[in-house]
Parts: sequence; C-alpha cells; structure tokens
Amino acid sequence: QSALTQPASVSGSPGQSITISCTGTSSDVGGYNYVSWYQQHPGKAPKLVIFDVTYRPSGVSNRFSGSKSGNTASLTISGLQAEDEADYYCSSFTSSVTLVFGGGTKLTVL
Amino acid sequence: QLQLQESGPGLVKPSETLSLTCTVSGGSISSSNYYWGWIRQPPGKGLEWIGTMYVSGSTYYNPSLKSRVTISVDTSWNQFSLRLSSVTAADTAVYFCARQGRASVAGQIDYWGQGALVTVSS
Repeated sequence: QSALTQPASVSGSPGQSITISCTGTSSDVGGYNYVSWYQQHPGKAPKLVIFDVTYRPSGVSNRFSGSKSGNTASLTISGLQAEDEADYYCSSFTSSVTLVFGGGTKLTVL
Repeated sequence: QLQLQESGPGLVKPSETLSLTCTVSGGSISSSNYYWGWIRQPPGKGLEWIGTMYVSGSTYYNPSLKSRVTISVDTSWNQFSLRLSSVTAADTAVYFCARQGRASVAGQIDYWGQGALVTVSS
C-alpha cells in the first residue's frame, strides 16, 4: 500500500493559521470517514489530535480542526503557538482493511 | 489511566526474529471495545503501520510485512506481542504498541506506548 501524500514542511507565525493536506485515493481517504491526525514532538510518542475526519478527542485544543474533500483530508491549526511546532501525520483506513499513514509534515512556528 | 509499555531486546541480529511485548495497565486487553496494534518509525523517518489484532485472535497486517509478522495476545498477562522474522537493517526502528479506540481496524489510535528502539545489527 502507498503512503498518503503530505507536504514535507509548512510554517507559520504565532497567531496565524496553517493547513496541512493529506492526499490519498478513493480506496482510502476518499472512500471512508476514518481519517486521523497525530502530533509528534521529537523523541515522543504520537498524540491523537483529530479522528474520523473532524472529531477532536477530549483535551485537544479547539484550535485544531479537520476536514475532507474528495481524496484529500486537511488539518487546520488556528492561532499558532510555539508548542504546536511538531511533526504531523495523517492516517486512513483502507479498502484492504488496513491502516496507512502519510509521510509526515514538519510544522515550524516562525 | 491506561498505559502501554513495550519490552524486549534492543539489538537483534540480521536474519533473526524480533520479538516485543506490550504490557497494558489501567485497563483490560480483553475488552470487546478495542483493537490493539503495532506501529514503527525508522530513525528520522515517518510512521509505518505494522498490524492490529482483536482479543478474539483476529489479526490484520500491513501487506508489505505480512509474510514476516505475527501479532498475538496473552490475556492472562494482559499483554500482546509482536514477532517479525528474517529481519534486516531496514527493520531498525522505534516500535510503538498502541490501542485503537474502537473495535475496528479503522479505529483511531488513542493510546500509545513510549516506544522501544530495536536495532538490527551483527
């Protein structure tokens, strides 16, 4: 299975909004509302920030939001803060009854 | 609070079998509400899903690893395990055990272990 496509890096200034895209196919992202997003700080385990495309787990800031259009899912972080600087990964359920991750996006807060 | 902890050898020789165990505390692995799985991350690279299992014994694996992977459960110890055979240097990675927040392969990964670095080298 092929990894989902994410930009290698994005950046933004504190207070701004950024969006990270995650492109797949009709057999994964486009076919199911089972897209999740994970935040990973260096040396740490990933943390779930969005699941089922748009849902936020309890305790995750409402500055994080998710959406999907066709075969592309997106994670938007508004009101950027220094602590948001991390790697972000999307994942999706697939028609082969597997999970697939994106290649990851490094977010830099300028 | 649910906690997961990986354990096992940090160094494995090429062609041998990598074995890791995940011990779950603060919750029961026998719960019908969750799936349990493994994800790995080579140094400096992205996440790769290895596979997932249900307490019934049902397993689902990454097609690229399927011929070498076995995930199994030991409910008496509240643990589940990963075995990866015929390892090469390309299998060097941090291995995470994890819980999926619903009884489905599609479930979001809501709890992660801290990760265990396994190096494949002679």
